[in-house]
Amino acid sequence: QSALTQPASVSGSPGQSITISCTGTSSDIGGYNYVSWYQQHPGKAPKLMIFDVNRRPSGVSDRFSGSKSGNTASLTISGLQTEDEADYYCCSYVGDNSRVFGGGTKLTVL
Amino acid sequence: EVQLVESGGGLVQPGGSLRLSCAASGFTFSNHWMSWVRQAPGKGLELVANIKPDGSEEYYVDSVKGRFTISRENAKNSLFLQMNNLRAEDTAVYYCAKSLWVRYYSDYDYWGQGTLVTVSS
Repeated sequence: QSALTQPASVSGSPGQSITISCTGTSSDIGGYNYVSWYQQHPGKAPKLMIFDVNRRPSGVSDRFSGSKSGNTASLTISGLQTEDEADYYCCSYVGDNSRVFGGGTKLTVL
Repeated sequence: EVQLVESGGGLVQPGGSLRLSCAASGFTFSNHWMSWVRQAPGKGLELVANIKPDGSEEYYVDSVKGRFTISRENAKNSLFLQMNNLRAEDTAVYYCAKSLWVRYYSDYDYWGQGTLVTVSS
């Protein structure tokens, strides 16, 4: 199973909105409504930000939202804050009790 | 409070073995799928292995099949990863991760701090 495709980097200014895309196939993103997004700060463990395409775990800011269209999922962060600067990984269920991650996107808050 | 604490990482020569452990607390361990996810230096995340709550089903990424074995001891709230015939490309931080939902394999809502495995001569 190949990794999902994400842009290597995105950037934005405080207060702005950004969107990170995640492209897969009909065997992963397109086939299931089980897309998630993880935030990872340097040297830290990943943190679940979005699951089931557009659901937020308790405690995650509503500035984070997810969506999906066809084989592409997206994470949108509105009202960018400096603490949002991190790596972001998408993830999709691929069947047989398995998941595949994207290559990761480095978000820089200018 | 949910806690996952990995141990057992270290430096090992190619072809060697290591056994990783993950001590879980703060939730009913026996109700959740558990996973090992790794991250090579400067690289992305990769699911290595999953195990069903009762230990009756396992999943492995192709690159570790036949070399790694995931197991659990529910009575001791512990998850393990036995890694044999290690290769340089297995060098990574290995995370223990808990599935969100009870009984169903799902996304990972809690992660340990990770343990570094370095395979080098």
